[in-house]
Amino acid sequence: DIQMTQSPSSLSASVGDSVTITCRASQSITTYLNWYQQKPGKAPNLLVYGASSLQSGVPSRFSGAGSGTDFTLTISSLQPEDFATYYCQQSYTTPRVTFGPGTKVDF
Amino acid sequence: QVTLKESGPVLVKPTETLTLTCTVSGFSLSNPRMGVTWIRQPPGKALEWLAHIFSGGEKSYTKSLRSRLTISKDTSKSQVVLAMTNMDPADTGTYYCARTLDYGSGREAFDIWGPGTMVTVSS
Repeated sequence: DIQMTQSPSSLSASVGDSVTITCRASQSITTYLNWYQQKPGKAPNLLVYGASSLQSGVPSRFSGAGSGTDFTLTISSLQPEDFATYYCQQSYTTPRVTFGPGTKVDF
Repeated sequence: QVTLKESGPVLVKPTETLTLTCTVSGFSLSNPRMGVTWIRQPPGKALEWLAHIFSGGEKSYTKSLRSRLTISKDTSKSQVVLAMTNMDPADTGTYYCARTLDYGSGREAFDIWGPGTMVTVSS
């Protein structure tokens, strides 16, 4: 099975900061990597698919990059509504996919 | 508008079978670009993929729970059902159904999620 790791597990930031979250796969997944945002008590929300394609309706301050085993999600100017937990997910072995452990972004 | 909604018991006893229903609207379960997936999340923990059903009816299960899971669908009712046998307190958590969308070139993602249903396993 492909294992996903994320770093950091949590980070503190302020409104306006640029934030980068890293996701690593245990083997190459080319660009089959998705990012989700989850707020407390809510279902996850798709932000980026295919490593770098922004889901419709997602603000342009979110961007994804990477290929192979190393990927990043960047929030260019953190907004109050961006404080949440972020998960990466590999779809290389779809439908049997795996999620990363999550990165919590808070104040 | 595309929506999914989970329904089922809030509380089940250990060893019982959990049956959850995902009712979808705004798309057809026979659309070849779409499938439905079940994902769960224990309190305070990460997401775990459980099972998937394709538009053509093919099924896939996570290896660790394969013997306990059954996924099925009724296209006419726009429903996908997940059954999990022999429930244990470790199965406590929020269960989500989500639509899997094929964006092309093999890229798939869970683009629409239900709100989730919290299931507690306790005697």
